[in-house]
Amino acid sequence: EDKVVQSPLSLVVHEGDTVTLNCSYEVTNFRSLLWYKQEKKAPTFLFMLTSSGIEKKSGRLSSILDKKELFSILNITATQTGDSAVYLCAVEAPNAGNMLTFGGGTRLMVKP
Amino acid sequence: DAGVIQSPRHEVTEMGQEVTLRCKPISGHNSLFWYRQTMMRGLELLIYFNNNVPIDDSGMPEDRFSAKMPNASFSTLKIQPSEPRDSAVYFCASSELGGQPQHFGDGTRLSIL
Repeated sequence: EDKVVQSPLSLVVHEGDTVTLNCSYEVTNFRSLLWYKQEKKAPTFLFMLTSSGIEKKSGRLSSILDKKELFSILNITATQTGDSAVYLCAVEAPNAGNMLTFGGGTRLMVKP
Repeated sequence: DAGVIQSPRHEVTEMGQEVTLRCKPISGHNSLFWYRQTMMRGLELLIYFNNNVPIDDSGMPEDRFSAKMPNASFSTLKIQPSEPRDSAVYFCASSELGGQPQHFGDGTRLSIL
């Protein structure tokens, strides 16, 4: 059974701090890993990673994948209160169609 | 561009009643997914469709749950009869056929009393 584990479960930081969120996975095969941000409603897509070592970047957010060690990290620099959310990691395996298996999420709170 | 549209946004009903959740995927997206999110179990896939055909319904909890996709622009998830343990947020998502990323609707918050 495919498994995705995120850590930490929750995190409280102050504005301006840098945070690193972790996602490890166990899948029979691997196609891609996705990060989503969930505030009060729908999860919104952040990044999709398919290749090891290639950083994806969008503003203050960046992410990288290590297919050998089976994990990914999501970095947020110079955090702002608007970054407060649950961050979800999900893995796609080709033997499961285009289904996603989600981790339990990391709840980030950024205090002013 | 319109995203995934779900209705209703909130539903409160008594146990034993039939509940129908609705979803309109993004135009041109031919994969559609139904998820359930709870504090205890996180985000779980219930069923997904490709080209209106159910592909995997192994996540549907029991026979009380059913889903249909009569055409490319509409899907329903029905619970009959509903039970308090069905209380959760139900999300619909869509993607290009066989592709990623999935785009989520705002969800339906369901409370069964």
